[in-house]
Amino acid sequence: AQSVTQLDSQVPVFEEAPVELRCNYSSSVSVYLFWYVQYPNQGLQLLLKYLSGSTLVKGINGFEAEFNKSQTSFHLRKPSVHISDTAEYFCAVSFYSSASKIIFGSGTRLSIRP
Amino acid sequence: GAVVSQHPSRVICKSGTSVKIECRSLDFQATTMFWYRQFPKKSLMLMATSNEGSKATYEQGVEKDKFLINHASLTLSTLTVTSAHPEDSSFYICSARSTSGSYSDTQYFGPGTRLTVL
Repeated sequence: AQSVTQLDSQVPVFEEAPVELRCNYSSSVSVYLFWYVQYPNQGLQLLLKYLSGSTLVKGINGFEAEFNKSQTSFHLRKPSVHISDTAEYFCAVSFYSSASKIIFGSGTRLSIRP
Repeated sequence: GAVVSQHPSRVICKSGTSVKIECRSLDFQATTMFWYRQFPKKSLMLMATSNEGSKATYEQGVEKDKFLINHASLTLSTLTVTSAHPEDSSFYICSARSTSGSYSDTQYFGPGTRLTVL
């Protein structure tokens, strides 16, 4: 079965500290991976995506993610977080093609402490 | 970048009435649009996929007669919640994708519509 898992429902981090949000997927076919951010009462904004090529993907707001096929992971990282990064982060996967429907993970709430 | 709008952003209605939510792609032609529902502090649940000019494909468990989807043009899709009840209260989000050009490999999301049924 194809699925995407975000094990951490909440991640508290101090300001200017590094952070990693974990995402794992299960699939026997090609995957296309995305990270979205959702600020309170707003829609989703695309942070970054992996479709093919380099496994290290850089996105907006200083975030990056690495596709690891052997570990079936696509963890999101930022070397130094800011208060403004407080939001809900969703990992998402398309199977077969990037145009297919997206399955979302359950989300990780990133809370930044001053 | 690609912009998707939704209207209205918030709507409050009485139980039994119908509500229409619009989703528009502003700077590209969206051959496919998706409708999601999000419960408080939960992830997004795909309700249906609509392709321009054809009937929507609903996910299992979603009542097609309850949630009417129309995708009549390449820039507009509508979701009508018919005979709304309090349990239909939720955050509804649409996304749009093109089959060609620079917007073909990603879904672009609207800002969402908060529906409250009294």
